[in-house]
Amino acid sequence: GAVVSQHPSWVICKSGTSVKIECRSLDFQATTMFWYRQFPKQSLMLMATSNEGSKATYEQGVEKDKFLINHASLTLSTLTVTSAHPEDSSFYICSAPLLGANVLTFGAGSRLTVL
Amino acid sequence: DAKTTQPPSMDCAEGRAANLPCNHSTISGNEYVYWYRQIHSQGPQYIIHGLKNNETNEMASLIITEDRKSSTLILPHATLRDTAVYYCIVNGGGADGLTFGKGTHLIIQP
Repeated sequence: GAVVSQHPSWVICKSGTSVKIECRSLDFQATTMFWYRQFPKQSLMLMATSNEGSKATYEQGVEKDKFLINHASLTLSTLTVTSAHPEDSSFYICSAPLLGANVLTFGAGSRLTVL
Repeated sequence: DAKTTQPPSMDCAEGRAANLPCNHSTISGNEYVYWYRQIHSQGPQYIIHGLKNNETNEMASLIITEDRKSSTLILPHATLRDTAVYYCIVNGGGADGLTFGKGTHLIIQP
């Protein structure tokens, strides 16, 4: 079946540094990918839509200069959290639609802890 | 996307059928009903979706009322591994990002 892989699965970084999270569709192509964020005991919140070859679309309240998204190929989207602060600590999850199936496949998530 | 209403939590005994309700009274004619679940600290997992007709797959059954204003997800023989948060989402399908509500925390009791 369709698999979305995220890397790293967890990362700890110091405040002020930048962290890159990769999202790959392993056996299918994805012109669109979605990035979500989930704080403890809360639901998933859509952050942005990543579009291959063009700019990402950000949800209201999500800073595009803080959360840089690049979708340079049909199988890879990256999310870079720039100048991370402790309040950016969260579970980041990406997903991609399986064409023709009207279904989103999700990655296993990347847990970011900013010290 | 139309809004959904789910009970915040439910318990079910292992081996019994788990029936998870969802209300989506403002669903529009071209919107599907999707069910996903999220086991603790993992990404969501697709379970099933449907438009009008009842659907069944290897994981679950989806029963949609005739007026489409509510649905029920049925896990026929719940196991401890089915303990998770279950999300009912209505969406037009295609390449849309899904809007997650709070879901139902299903706890399977041994």
